[in-house]
Amino acid sequence: DVKVTQSSRYLVKRTGEKVFLECVQDMDHENMFWYRQDPGLGLRLIYFSYDVKMKEKGDIPEGYSVSREKKERFSLILESASTNQTSMYLCASKAGGSVFQPQHFGDGTRLSIL
Amino acid sequence: GESVGLHLPTLSVQEGDNSIINCAYSNSASDYFIWYKQESGKGPQFIIDIRSNMDKRQGQRVTVLLNKTVKHLSLQIAATQPGDSAVYFCAEGGDGSARQLTFGSGTQLTVLP
Repeated sequence: DVKVTQSSRYLVKRTGEKVFLECVQDMDHENMFWYRQDPGLGLRLIYFSYDVKMKEKGDIPEGYSVSREKKERFSLILESASTNQTSMYLCASKAGGSVFQPQHFGDGTRLSIL
Repeated sequence: GESVGLHLPTLSVQEGDNSIINCAYSNSASDYFIWYKQESGKGPQFIIDIRSNMDKRQGQRVTVLLNKTVKHLSLQIAATQPGDSAVYFCAEGGDGSARQLTFGSGTQLTVLP
């Protein structure tokens, strides 16, 4: 089974802090994704990466950046946290080579910005 | 069905009955569809997928039906169990944005004893 592990289940930070969310997958997947999930809005894509050191903006990249230095690890960075970034953050990974492959998710990090 | 409002659509079924959860997708060019289950406090879990060259696919206790004419997807769960209580949402993709999926907001399924 695919295992996607997010380093923290719950995180509380203060406005203006730089916040790092970490995600690791163990299936040698090429593609990795960061989403945020808010009530009534579904999952919204922040950034994704299709290879080491490669990244592409999703639908809501403002206020975020990402890093993919190794294939198994994809980090989401909140450069200067704001209260409107309080949310559930979900990481996912997907095998490359075919578009007809599902994304597999971690259990999420619930981030609160005070 | 899907909703963009603040409140999820809800479906309550008796334990042992069959459940049908619906999803209206938006992009006629989408050719890959996935159903996910999300239990409270957990991440979405892959249930079943279907490609647009099929109109039905069966898994263990689940069946997905695809009607491309009306852009409608449904998930049928047979003999619903208490462990099936969760939010279910569909995702569409494969329209050229090969690595991206568009997700619906989900339906809350509650299984009554």
